[in-house]
Amino acid sequence: DAKTTQPNSMESNEEEPVHLPCNHSTISGTDYIHWYRQLPSQGPEYVIHGLTSNVNNRMASLAIAEDRKSSTLILHRATLRDAAVYYCILRGPKISSGSARQLTFGSGTQLTVLP
Amino acid sequence: EAGVTQFPSHSVIEKGQTVTLRCDPISGHDNLYWYRRVMGKEIKFLLHFVKESKQDESGMPNNRFLAERTGGTYSTLKVQPAELEDSGVYFCASSRRRASQGTDTQYFGPGTRLTVL
Repeated sequence: DAKTTQPNSMESNEEEPVHLPCNHSTISGTDYIHWYRQLPSQGPEYVIHGLTSNVNNRMASLAIAEDRKSSTLILHRATLRDAAVYYCILRGPKISSGSARQLTFGSGTQLTVLP
Repeated sequence: EAGVTQFPSHSVIEKGQTVTLRCDPISGHDNLYWYRRVMGKEIKFLLHFVKESKQDESGMPNNRFLAERTGGTYSTLKVQPAELEDSGVYFCASSRRRASQGTDTQYFGPGTRLTVL
């Protein structure tokens, strides 16, 4: 899977929007962009994913650049509970056997939410 | 729907001993993955089951690690004998079989923290 680059850390104030960037300049046309997060002392948790178009769900929004070389995870109103490490992960198509690929985690972005 | 569960939550053993970690995936999920994070490192993939078959074990560090998934339900990961560098957090995840390309969501358990003294 192609590599992603994220800032090591970011800070946000509570109840303000947060924009978490991710660069993936070597993304291929079939790679999906996934975001997971890991809250303290928990396992990673799925946040959102997309391919080309912007996506919204109850947790966040994903804005994908037109050339797909970067994306931004948007938390519309950060809460203290959103403090976590956020991972931007590219996932290619299924492997030859038809099975889904594993997730390749980088170092992610540590988001601190200030009260 | 119950989530992915892992047992034990913590395990402290001495070097040379054996430890077995267990993962119960979400019911109906054919895909089961093991990952681990060792101290200061990133989360790394260990292996992937589809039902009871090992689909990919390219991430297993060495032959001291043995994973099984009898009957395609729960999975165990045995470390024998354990070494100091095996300390870390071991995560299990599961996902549905019939997933569109690149879109299946993996659901993670809380992890097992293994400490080898």
